[in-house]
Amino acid sequence: DQQVKQNSPSLSVQEGRISILNCDYTNSMFDYFLWYKKYPAEGPTFLISISSIKDKNEDGRFTVFLNKSAKHLSLHIVPSQPGDSAVYFCAASDQITGANNLFFGTGTRLTVIP
Amino acid sequence: NAGVTQTPKFQVLKTGQSMTLQCAQDMNHEYMSWYRQDPGMGLRLIHYSVGAGITDQGEVPNGYNVSRSTTEDFPLRLLSAAPSQTSVYFCASRYSLGRQNSPLHFGNGTRLTVT
Repeated sequence: DQQVKQNSPSLSVQEGRISILNCDYTNSMFDYFLWYKKYPAEGPTFLISISSIKDKNEDGRFTVFLNKSAKHLSLHIVPSQPGDSAVYFCAASDQITGANNLFFGTGTRLTVIP
Repeated sequence: NAGVTQTPKFQVLKTGQSMTLQCAQDMNHEYMSWYRQDPGMGLRLIHYSVGAGITDQGEVPNGYNVSRSTTEDFPLRLLSAAPSQTSVYFCASRYSLGRQNSPLHFGNGTRLTVT
């Protein structure tokens, strides 16, 4: 049973506009959340993270929002650039196993149109 | 630094054959792990290690063995390959002790096909 869900397999956005990628989770014990970005034929690379004690974390063009009551997080990319075209994975770790086991979503393929 | 290096990049096996996927990292990371990526399933943890001589099972360990004799290397062994093990395998590492939330660094993956 998928504990981290990314319900949109793909998203297309015009260059310069905002990209919003969504992620839902079911395990209330998750306390740390990460976003990874993956280009074809490469491994995922870390993008941004957020602890459950915060509701927002910002790093340049990337902002992650966490809504614990809704068990929902989102990644905002502003402005979107063609180089942002990749698959984005949401991941979470829980208070029991800690960071030894990350649970990943199925990914959302973002295409930024020039 | 080379980061996390996985070999081979591609492999085709027949059912019942055995092989070892190699993973090495040069960042002195205590934690290393193996994930598999399948369509519609995301990445799932197979096995992990928090240091030399210590290994533990992840979400999908059946059919795989691991060992950790050095900090740098964490090979994944398939003793008798099955078509269900057709997947893309990623090795990842990170700092562990005292830095529980340090991000994972991934290798570029091994694409395995079992016929």
